[in-house]
Amino acid sequence: EVQLVESGGGLVQPGRSLKLSCAASGFTFSNYGMAWVRQTPTKGLEWVASISTGGGNTYYRDSVKGRFTISRDNAKNTQYLQMDSLRSEDTATYYCARGGVQLGPFDYWGQGVMVTVSS
Amino acid sequence: DTVLTQSPALAVSPGERVSISCRASEGVNSYMHWYQQKPGQQPKLLIYKVSKLASGVPARFSGSGSGTDFTLTIDPVEADDTATYFCQQSWNDPYTFGAGTKLELK
Repeated sequence: EVQLVESGGGLVQPGRSLKLSCAASGFTFSNYGMAWVRQTPTKGLEWVASISTGGGNTYYRDSVKGRFTISRDNAKNTQYLQMDSLRSEDTATYYCARGGVQLGPFDYWGQGVMVTVSS
Repeated sequence: DTVLTQSPALAVSPGERVSISCRASEGVNSYMHWYQQKPGQQPKLLIYKVSKLASGVPARFSGSGSGTDFTLTIDPVEADDTATYFCQQSWNDPYTFGAGTKLELK
């Protein structure tokens, strides 16, 4: 059974950093691209970033370029999202998702982790 | 960005057929996907590449469309289908989602 478990969310002040992790199991992690998708009641679902199987190719939405870094450790079956210079508009539930590269859909999702950016 | 427009809500009776539409602001080739999200849960992939059924999804769900107009059909609708349904395109950068259609059962 495919499982994706996020961790690392919480309350953080504007301008500070937070790092999300996503532990994967139930599939060969190194064979799949991975992504982060966020959701808010006002903006809905937004793709944030994707990473290729080996980690050599990364992709970001414009609003997070230069502030967020997606990475992965295939030996640990884990992907990460380093979020720096956080803004109030980054407040959302962040989902880890499998896929999201090479035109593919997001075929499995984690349960999500809440990130709140507020002073 | 590619805007995906969905009607906000629909109400149907169990056993009926329902079609949920998604219109894209520009062409998305065949890279349109559909997700179901129930309250408090993560989205679940239903249909990918317009009409391909995701693993474990009942055949009551189907997808169709081309160009800029796409449809998710549920036939027949069951009580457990109460949820919000999102379309998503992966042809244009950035990938975008529709705002969702909330399906309510009468």
